[in-house]
Amino acid sequence: DADVTQTPRNRITKTGKRIMLECSQTKGHDRMYWYRQDPGLGLRLIYYSFDVKDINKGEISDGYSVSRQAQAKFSLSLESAIPNQTALYFCATQPPGQETQYFGPGTRLLVL
Amino acid sequence: LAKTTQPISMDSYEGQEVNITCSHNNIATNDYITWYQQFPSQGPRFIIQGYKTKVTNEVASLFIPADRKSSTLSLPRVSLSDTAVYYCLVGLSSSGSARQLTFGSGTQLTVLP
Repeated sequence: DADVTQTPRNRITKTGKRIMLECSQTKGHDRMYWYRQDPGLGLRLIYYSFDVKDINKGEISDGYSVSRQAQAKFSLSLESAIPNQTALYFCATQPPGQETQYFGPGTRLLVL
Repeated sequence: LAKTTQPISMDSYEGQEVNITCSHNNIATNDYITWYQQFPSQGPRFIIQGYKTKVTNEVASLFIPADRKSSTLSLPRVSLSDTAVYYCLVGLSSSGSARQLTFGSGTQLTVLP
């Protein structure tokens, strides 16, 4: 869905490096989410935000941090990347009062 | 957490009806059931959502028994382009904690010619 964009789409980094993944949306949704997906597994929730001043940990937040700079932007940071953080990362948005989430195209991250 | 269980994979032929069942024994009173479709290297896409009984839209139907401990996604007359992974998601997000959202491991549906 072009309304939710993620940058970069692909990234290779080295162990110990700091890296930021960015998500932007033009849908005007207040809720935003970060998930990771590992091969053969479903999506696991890392962090979520219901508003600019609201940040919440998900199921697997250790090793990650987030920033909600504006309603339209939600960034995910890996302070010191490690190889087991190699995964496909998805950002999603959700309008208020609805259960449906709208996903971005994903960022494929490889940590060497 | 309302954990979900789905078959890992299913095969079908073009033109057949496909039913994918998801078990969610620990579903909470306010939880909704949502199904998503995911193609390789793409984000999941919403298919259908329900709370109880039956829901139908232009692409699928969702059947939920009275005890709500399972749900069945029904795809009528599948085509090759329906080959994808299908996820069942159970949880409360619009008014509760998203921490409760749980994606299952998904069902790989392969439609054969």
